[in-house]
Amino acid sequence: DAGVTQSPTHLIKTRGQHVTLRCSPISGHKSVSWYQQVLGQGPQFIFQYYEKEERGRGNFPDRFSARQFPNYSSELNVNALLLGDSALYLCASSLEAASYEQYFGPGTRLTVT
Amino acid sequence: DAKTTQPPSMDCAEGRAANLPCNHSTISGNEYVYWYRQIHSQGPQYIIHGLKNNETNEMASLIITEDRKSSTLILPHATLRDTAVYYCIVRNNAGNMLTFGGGTRLMVKP
Repeated sequence: DAGVTQSPTHLIKTRGQHVTLRCSPISGHKSVSWYQQVLGQGPQFIFQYYEKEERGRGNFPDRFSARQFPNYSSELNVNALLLGDSALYLCASSLEAASYEQYFGPGTRLTVT
Repeated sequence: DAKTTQPPSMDCAEGRAANLPCNHSTISGNEYVYWYRQIHSQGPQYIIHGLKNNETNEMASLIITEDRKSSTLILPHATLRDTAVYYCIVRNNAGNMLTFGGGTRLMVKP
């Protein structure tokens, strides 16, 4: 069975640009969560979506937005990129909105120059 | 969600048991203890979770003290592939948000 997939794997952007990251959850999983992991730190929660609705939001500026599609895949958008947005962006999927076990993808490594 | 405290790093000899401690003295009655690990360059991986009772699965055992203020993750026979950062997380089940701390970097040595 395919796990959580994310694209692209690596990305280099310039300050001020915007970026779209994509996530496909495990088949049958309805919830997708996004995390940011800066080098040397643990992942930080950004968003959770369930059945196309936002269920949770972490302490991130409005430059960060996301959405979930009818097939449960998701996009994370970041506008007006800053150097500090350089990080590994992780997507996690689970069956329901409050599941015991979440499955993480390999992440997208974003570098902002 | 309650905060957790873990040692920043630990070593373990291959084949021996690895015991990773976690303090969560402010845990609430409806909060679970979760353990995830992150192997270098990969996403975090769920290991185990528990509320009050000790739990065991094919990967590890989780021992929670009676007052629930601390817990220990036990990898019974550590292998080199168990080298990773281990995160202890406390959360309720109202949603899926996981609050990761710094974790414990476990180094399994031959």
